[in-house]
Amino acid sequence: AQSVTQLDSHVSVSEGTPVLLRCNYSSSYSPSLFWYVQHPNKGLQLLLKYTSAATLVKGINGFEAEFKKSETSFHLTKPSAHMSDAAEYFCGRSSGTYKYIFGTGTRLKVLA
Amino acid sequence: GAVVSQHPSWVICKSGTSVKIECRSLDFQATTMFWYRQFPKQSLMLMATSNEGSKATYEQGVEKDKFLINHASLTLSTLTVTSAHPEDSSFYICSASSGQGIAKNIQYFGAGTRLSVL
Repeated sequence: AQSVTQLDSHVSVSEGTPVLLRCNYSSSYSPSLFWYVQHPNKGLQLLLKYTSAATLVKGINGFEAEFKKSETSFHLTKPSAHMSDAAEYFCGRSSGTYKYIFGTGTRLKVLA
Repeated sequence: GAVVSQHPSWVICKSGTSVKIECRSLDFQATTMFWYRQFPKQSLMLMATSNEGSKATYEQGVEKDKFLINHASLTLSTLTVTSAHPEDSSFYICSASSGQGIAKNIQYFGAGTRLSVL
């Protein structure tokens, strides 16, 4: 079955340090992959998407993600964390249909 | 990006009553809308997929008579929780997508509705 695995349920970083949120997917072919962010009691906001173009995808708010087919990974990174980045992050995928499969989420905490 | 509006953002109701939640795509025509349910500190669970003008497709385990979905136009879908009970209390989120334009094959999400059933 197709799935998305977010390897860390919680990540804590200090403000100004790099962020790494890990995501692996299972598939026999290249899916469309997404990262969304959710602030408390809010809907999901699209950060970036991969759709088989460039493997390094740049998103909003300084985030980027690299698609690595050999590792079936799509990790989200940011060079320098900001307090406003504290939120829940969801990795997701679609595969030929409009349906998405989401990971279980990673809660990012940014320490002052 | 595309904008999806969801209303209300918070609703409290008595057990046994019905609650309607609206989801609107403001700047694009949404051929497909999705309804999710999210439990505290958990991921989103897809409840159903609706295409404009046709019946919604419900995921396994979701009661279609309990959660009525209507997608009467390309910009509006509604979710009605009928005869709500405390166990229906949750955060409900809609999303919208299209086959063309700014929302082509991408889901844009509403801000969610927190339902509390007393």
